[in-house]
Amino acid sequence: ETGVTQSPTHLIKTRGQQVTLRCSSQSGHNTVSWYQQALGQGPQFIFQYYREEENGRGNFPPRFSGLQFPNYSSELNVNALELDDSALYLCASSLKAPNTGELFFGEGSRLTVL
Amino acid sequence: AQKVTQAQTEISVVEKEDVTLDCVYETRDTTYYLFWYKQPPSGELVFLIRRNSFDEQNEISGRYSWNFQKSTSSFNFTITASQVVDSAVYFCALSEANSGYSTLTFGKGTMLLVSP
Repeated sequence: ETGVTQSPTHLIKTRGQQVTLRCSSQSGHNTVSWYQQALGQGPQFIFQYYREEENGRGNFPPRFSGLQFPNYSSELNVNALELDDSALYLCASSLKAPNTGELFFGEGSRLTVL
Repeated sequence: AQKVTQAQTEISVVEKEDVTLDCVYETRDTTYYLFWYKQPPSGELVFLIRRNSFDEQNEISGRYSWNFQKSTSSFNFTITASQVVDSAVYFCALSEANSGYSTLTFGKGTMLLVSP
């Protein structure tokens, strides 16, 4: 068990709605990353937060946004949901290290958009 | 741009067989890190190994071993004497040192099914 917890574990939304996913990082980790994993695919990097600021972003539109709080917990917000947003959303925490990349993942939030 | 290819979509073996999962990567950087993660049905990605680009020594950890060859840009993973509990999706991933932040590029994964 990595100590990274995510909520909710499963949720169903309809197209056009908004969703907020939450992540509690492993104790002592000051960096959180979010990944999207579509069915049958590898995880895709959405963005990373360090000290409450976004410090890296993948190829995702602005309707994907996030927050990191002083206690290093985090939220992922997705507006105007589309069918293709259906996926497993994984949160990962780490100590800020530009390249070592050892990430500790939660079990994910599975989002279904109808 | 960096890329990770796992050509094997699914592998089925019988318990106690040895199995090798292939991983080929592409990167322009000379300094990078390679990883293997295991994803059981619960969804959590479990870290297995990290190897930096300057260390080509093979590594063995119990029934797991990894073969890193820069000449062929490959980082293959072998499970010896497979067990049913090894059934999972396995991901190979790459992190470039100059990205400025720790992010991973994953392959599409190989589903390993070990039957009794």
